[in-house]
Amino acid sequence: EIYLVESGGGLVKPGGTLRLSCAASGFTFSDYSFSWVRQAPGKGLEWVSSISSTGLHINYGDSMRGRFTISRDNARKTLFLQMTGLRGDDTAVYFCARGASASVVTAVFEYWGQGTLVTVSS
Amino acid sequence: DIQMTQSPSSLSTFVGDKITIACRASQSISQFLNWYHQQPGKAPKLLISAASILQSGVPSRFSGSGSGTDFTLTISSLQPEDFGVYYCQQSYSSPPITFGGGTRVEIK
Repeated sequence: EIYLVESGGGLVKPGGTLRLSCAASGFTFSDYSFSWVRQAPGKGLEWVSSISSTGLHINYGDSMRGRFTISRDNARKTLFLQMTGLRGDDTAVYFCARGASASVVTAVFEYWGQGTLVTVSS
Repeated sequence: DIQMTQSPSSLSTFVGDKITIACRASQSISQFLNWYHQQPGKAPKLLISAASILQSGVPSRFSGSGSGTDFTLTISSLQPEDFGVYYCQQSYSSPPITFGGGTRVEIK
């Protein structure tokens, strides 16, 4: 069975840094692209970033570019999101999602983790 | 950026009813349209990809149609477990990947 388990969320002050992780199991991690999608409290889904299977192709949403860094460790079957310069409007549940293929172009999110809550507040 | 607009934003209906949710793209996206269902406190679940391809394990009461800019998700006979929020998402052009604002389905 396919599992995606996020961790690393928590309370952080504005301007702070946080690193999220997403541990995968049940499939060949290195065959697939991954994305982070977030959901502010009571709001809809917002795409954050995507990374191809090799890590060579990466995309970011406009408000995240320059502050967030997506990466992956195929040996450890883990996806990461390094978040810096955090702001109040970054408060959200962050989901990792597996793509349908190796490419970031095929932006279909087949499997999702349960999410991890990031709260940015002083 | 491609904007995705869903309607209605919410609906309340009875078990057994047929419901249709619409999703409109701000420009043609061919059939690069996906539908997700999210129950409260849970992760979204992919229902339909490429406008009409039902994912494995998804009940046949769900169906999707459309191409270009206009798409629909239909549930032929609503079941209690179908409550929650439905989102459309375009996979035609990225970045950015964009979602519709969601349609909340409540069971009367």
